[in-house]
Amino acid sequence: DVKVTQSSRYLVKRTGEKVFLECVQDMDHENMFWYRQDPGLGLRLIYFSYDVKMKEKGDIPEGYSVSREKKERFSLILESASTNQTSMYLCASSSRVWEPQHFGDGTRLSIL
Amino acid sequence: KNQVEQSPQSLIILEGKNCTLQCNYTVSPFSNLRWYKQDTGRGPVSLTIMTFSENTKSNGRYTATLDADTKQSSLHITASQLSDSASYICVVSYTGGFKTIFGAGTRLFVKA
Repeated sequence: DVKVTQSSRYLVKRTGEKVFLECVQDMDHENMFWYRQDPGLGLRLIYFSYDVKMKEKGDIPEGYSVSREKKERFSLILESASTNQTSMYLCASSSRVWEPQHFGDGTRLSIL
Repeated sequence: KNQVEQSPQSLIILEGKNCTLQCNYTVSPFSNLRWYKQDTGRGPVSLTIMTFSENTKSNGRYTATLDADTKQSSLHITASQLSDSASYICVVSYTGGFKTIFGAGTRLFVKA
């Protein structure tokens, strides 16, 4: 069974801090994704990566960056955290872009 | 504008009853439609995926339908169980599967 593991379930940071969210998948998937999920809204794509060191902006990339140095690991970076980045962050992976994505259990991030 | 709308926003049913969740989309060119189940505090899990040529797909007590002409999909849950309490998310992919829009979800509560 595919396992997508996010390093933290809950995280509290202060405004202006640089924040790292880590995601690891164990199924050798090519594609990895970062989403944020806010109440009343559908998941929104922040960034995705289709290969090591490759990345593409999603719908809401402002204020975020990503890193994929190894195939199994995809990191989301908040360069200077702000309160409007308080949200649930979900990582996902898939073997093909059109195939169902496998999600981690999310990191609930609070920026104070 | 590409959109995915789900209804109702929330639904309460008694254990053992059936229910139907709706998804309408205005996405083009259509690639596939997926339904996910998201338990509280967990990441979404894929239930079904349908392409343009498929109009019904089942996964146990879950049956998804797709009408590509009217751009509507439904998820029917038969003989509901307490464990069906979750959010159900409709996801439509387009442009060869490289772009994806998530609906805001329907929150289902199954009561004993």
